[in-house]
Amino acid sequence: GAVVSQHPSRVICKSGTSVKIECRSLDFQATTMFWYRQFPKQSLMLMATSNEGSKATYEQGVEKDKFLINHASLTLSTLTVTSAHPEDSSFYICSARDQPTTGTQYFGPGTRLTVL
Amino acid sequence: AQSVTQLDSQVPVFEEAPVELRCNYSSSVSVYLFWYVQYPNQGLQLLLKYLSGSTLVESINGFEAEFNKSQTSFHLRKPSVHISDTAEYFCAVSDRGNQGGKLIFGQGTELSVKP
Repeated sequence: GAVVSQHPSRVICKSGTSVKIECRSLDFQATTMFWYRQFPKQSLMLMATSNEGSKATYEQGVEKDKFLINHASLTLSTLTVTSAHPEDSSFYICSARDQPTTGTQYFGPGTRLTVL
Repeated sequence: AQSVTQLDSQVPVFEEAPVELRCNYSSSVSVYLFWYVQYPNQGLQLLLKYLSGSTLVESINGFEAEFNKSQTSFHLRKPSVHISDTAEYFCAVSDRGNQGGKLIFGQGTELSVKP
């Protein structure tokens, strides 16, 4: 149980294009999903918290107009990197929380974004 | 605010040796504690967690961690490691009072098991 998927697993795009990453909870409903960014050999940096049916809460320093998050259902959240640039190249990981009272987050396999 | 410190960035050990990965946290409120493992180019997998009750928690693959409130620690241990345990390990905390809110991660410890 508690499986989270991400699609695509790897994407290469040209500078200036937009890329959408999907995060799905496969066997549970997730009222809250999280989006992280991870640079090589570093820890995870929380970008935003996504609540179903409401606007995402972004961490300080994360551009909400560049990283668009939509949480349209209890099993799907999407992250769109708009007008991507090479410095946006990174490993993006989502997680979903199964119950608000325990805080346990289950992570997706990640998406490797390379912007040329 | 919470913070997590993993004291060792890299831990090299030989196969079948014991290992301890250290984690200390700082928080003004009660917390939940987690250990996650990350294999190369993959997401994080939950290894074990402390929510309440017994301070010693175990995973299915032989790891254990003990919550020590007085020392604000949650060290991860395994009595005998395998080559397949080679991975990055992250300690994390979340705030109980916020209904299990954001996870705060440590910097990670790279466990390298050599034959």
